[in-house]
Amino acid sequence: SQTIHQWPATLVQPVGSPLSLECTVEGTSNPNLYWYRQAAGRGLQLLFYSVGIGQISSEVPQNLSASRPQDRQFILSSKKLLLSDSGFYLCAWSVRTALQFGQGTRLTVV
Amino acid sequence: AQSVTQLDSHVSVSEGTPVLLRCNYSSSYSPSLFWYVQHPNKGLQLLLKYTSAATLVKGINGFEAEFKKSETSFHLTKPSAHMSDAAEYFCVVSDRNFGNEKLTFGTGTRLTIIP
Repeated sequence: SQTIHQWPATLVQPVGSPLSLECTVEGTSNPNLYWYRQAAGRGLQLLFYSVGIGQISSEVPQNLSASRPQDRQFILSSKKLLLSDSGFYLCAWSVRTALQFGQGTRLTVV
Repeated sequence: AQSVTQLDSHVSVSEGTPVLLRCNYSSSYSPSLFWYVQHPNKGLQLLLKYTSAATLVKGINGFEAEFKKSETSFHLTKPSAHMSDAAEYFCVVSDRNFGNEKLTFGTGTRLTIIP
């Protein structure tokens, strides 16, 4: 069966520090991969999606970037975090099916 | 363009009574519709999905939803609420022609279960 792993579960980082969140999928090949952000009391915002290795589409301009170095690995990064980057980050995957989400990372920028 | 409106930001029901979470959608094309549930500080879990087959869709944990094209609605129901149903619920619409890259999420409905 397919599983998705996302880590860390929680993270507290100072303003101006770098960020790296990792997501991996097991049990499937060539999935579409997604990064979403969920701000407090709001819906989900799509940040990036990828349909293959090295292929990244950005939905909104921001302080973040994404990379897909391997078929089932998706990384969300930032060189310098802002206070506004705080939120709940969710990785998701799909292969011609509904999205399946990871457990999320709670990022607090202080 | 597509959109989804969850008509109630917060719903409270007593344990053992029916649950109704309302969702209306707008889509220029043939939509796919989904309901997800999110428990605190957890990821979203798929409850059920409609993709043009039967209009009454049954999901996990006793939930079901009915696609009504004439009313552009996809309301989520459950005959008898359980304490474990307390969570945030999201209605989602996608354009079937464009796939998951064009998902639109509702703003969520928080369901509270009264003992």
